[in-house]
Parts: sequence; C-alpha cells; structure tokens
Amino acid sequence: SQKIEQNSEALNIQEGKTATLTCNYTNYSPAYLQWYRQDPGRGPVFLLLIRENEKEKRKERLKVTFDTTLKQSLFHITASQPADSATYLCALEFNAGKSTFGDGTTLTVKP
Amino acid sequence: DGGITQSPKYLFRKEGQNVTLSCEQNLNHDAMYWYRQDPGQGLRLIYYSQIVNDFQKGDIAEGYSVSREKKESFPLTVTSAQKNPTAFYLCASSIAGAGARGNTGELFFGEGSRLTVL
Repeated sequence: SQKIEQNSEALNIQEGKTATLTCNYTNYSPAYLQWYRQDPGRGPVFLLLIRENEKEKRKERLKVTFDTTLKQSLFHITASQPADSATYLCALEFNAGKSTFGDGTTLTVKP
Repeated sequence: DGGITQSPKYLFRKEGQNVTLSCEQNLNHDAMYWYRQDPGQGLRLIYYSQIVNDFQKGDIAEGYSVSREKKESFPLTVTSAQKNPTAFYLCASSIAGAGARGNTGELFFGEGSRLTVL
C-alpha cells in the first residue's frame, strides 16, 4: 500500500526565514501531488499542485519541487510570517479520484 | 456564495446509536468525498463518489455508509458498527481528478463535523 511521510510533526522558525517542509512517499508513483494548508478546527485549503512531469512550481512566496526519482516533494515558504503558522498537508493521487494524505507538518513562525 | 456546507458542526452520540452527517455543495462538482481526521493525523478516506447514484469505499469504510441520490448531497451515516467513531469528519468535493490538463483536482473542503461518542 502507499505510504506518505511528512518530515516532522512540528517545525519552528523565525519570521523572515524560509520554511522547508518535506513529503516522501513509497511504492507507486503518483500522477500528481498537492499541498494544502489547514488551520485548527477548519477544513484544509488547497495551495498548489505539481504534476509528475514538472520539477518546480511557484505561487507568490510558495515553491514546490517534485523529484520522482527520490520520491520526494519539498514545500518552501520564503520570507515567512506569523500568519503562515498552520498545519501543511501533502496529498498524492495514485488512483483516479482517490487522494491519499500525509499526517501533516505543523509550522510555527515566531515574530 | 458557492461552497460546501457540513452540519452539524458538533455532534454527541451515545454508544449504539447511528448518526448522519450532512454535506451539501453548490459548486456543481461531480465528485464528493468523506474523510476522517484523528488528532495529529492526516485525512483518511472513508467513501467517495464520482457521479450521482455511484460511490466507492475508501480506505476505512467499515462501520460507515453513504448515499448519493443528488449531485449536491452526500450524507454520511456513522453506524453503531464503527468501533471508534469519535473524530473530526471532513466532506470535500472536486470537479474531477487532475488528469485533464489545467485541472488541479483541487479538493474543496467543508468546515467539518466533530463527532464525540459519550
């Protein structure tokens, strides 16, 4: 079965620094990978998608990379702000219409 | 405004009771999903439906049932057979998977329903 690991349960960084979150997967290769943000007690909100034939995707201060050889995606937030504090989830679609989520990494950005 | 509405937001249930969680969307999406989230964990797929009158089991379907009689609605029933039902339940919808170019396969989530078994 597919397994997704996100690098750590919690990540604490100083405001202005770059946060880097990791998503590793095993077994089958997904067609694409998504990143979501989840605030406490709320539903996740979609941030970015990257396809298996894409190496990098950017959106404002966010950057996602996808290395299908390493079976890994990196999610970067540059010039981080306290408002970026949240849990970030990666999701992979292995079968059409069925996404599998990682456990998430909780990011705290300190002023 | 378009979106997904889940109700109730909080629900308490006695052991042995069935409960039904409501999920309605006005986004005209074909696909709908139910996920379960436990503290400190990611989302696990319970059931999903890609078209009206059809649905498939996800990874943890035991003890749950769904129906998809209308495009807008995808209610989830947590039955007494579910051994550990206390959790945060999330409903989502999407246009379709991301197979088509230009489609992100983005899942739009509701605000969740928190079920507690007393």
